[in-house]
Amino acid sequence: DQQVKQNSPSLSVQEGRISILNCDYTNSMFDYFLWYKKYPAEGPTFLISISSIKDKNEDGRFTVFLNKSAKHLSLHIVPSQPGDSAVYFCAASGVSGNTGKLIFGQGTTLQVKP
Amino acid sequence: DAGVIQSPRHEVTEMGQEVTLRCKPISGHDYLFWYRQTMMRGLELLIYFNNNVPIDDSGMPEDRFSAKMPNASFSTLKIQPSEPRDSAVYFCASSPGAHYGYTFGSGTRLTVV
Repeated sequence: DQQVKQNSPSLSVQEGRISILNCDYTNSMFDYFLWYKKYPAEGPTFLISISSIKDKNEDGRFTVFLNKSAKHLSLHIVPSQPGDSAVYFCAASGVSGNTGKLIFGQGTTLQVKP
Repeated sequence: DAGVIQSPRHEVTEMGQEVTLRCKPISGHDYLFWYRQTMMRGLELLIYFNNNVPIDDSGMPEDRFSAKMPNASFSTLKIQPSEPRDSAVYFCASSPGAHYGYTFGSGTRLTVV
């Protein structure tokens, strides 16, 4: 049972345009959401997070939106750059109490074309 | 701090052999996680520890998999006997606690032939 789902395995955008990566979750008990970025042959690295008490968090070119009623979050990258090409994982926590356990999605491979 | 250190980076082994993956977490991080990355399931949690104690091993696929954390600075994930379907990238991550996010190691790419 996949509690966190990224239904788009891949996304291709032109440099300078907006990239929108989507993530859906099934468990309403999740209270914290994160996005990780992964380059080939490296471990995932933390990108941005959002608490369930907010609906938006912004950090430079990266913005995460949370729609709790729809159980949906998205990551916007504006403007997209070739260096943003990577696999993006969304993750959620909070079901098991304050344990720090994260449930990850399958990942979306973003390709930004010059 | 050097971050989370995993070894080996690559492991090729024959079916039936024992494989041991190693992880050194960041000093002071109370949580340690073992994940497996596959195309179908993404990052799949296998087991995690809090203060060296296994908390949740429900993701360990079979009895062939075992994990230990004998002290705060070292953990192992063992597969015995290994099978070709175990081929994947295995990540170790550590965290100081909830909502702080994880720091991942670079992973071990395991190939079982």
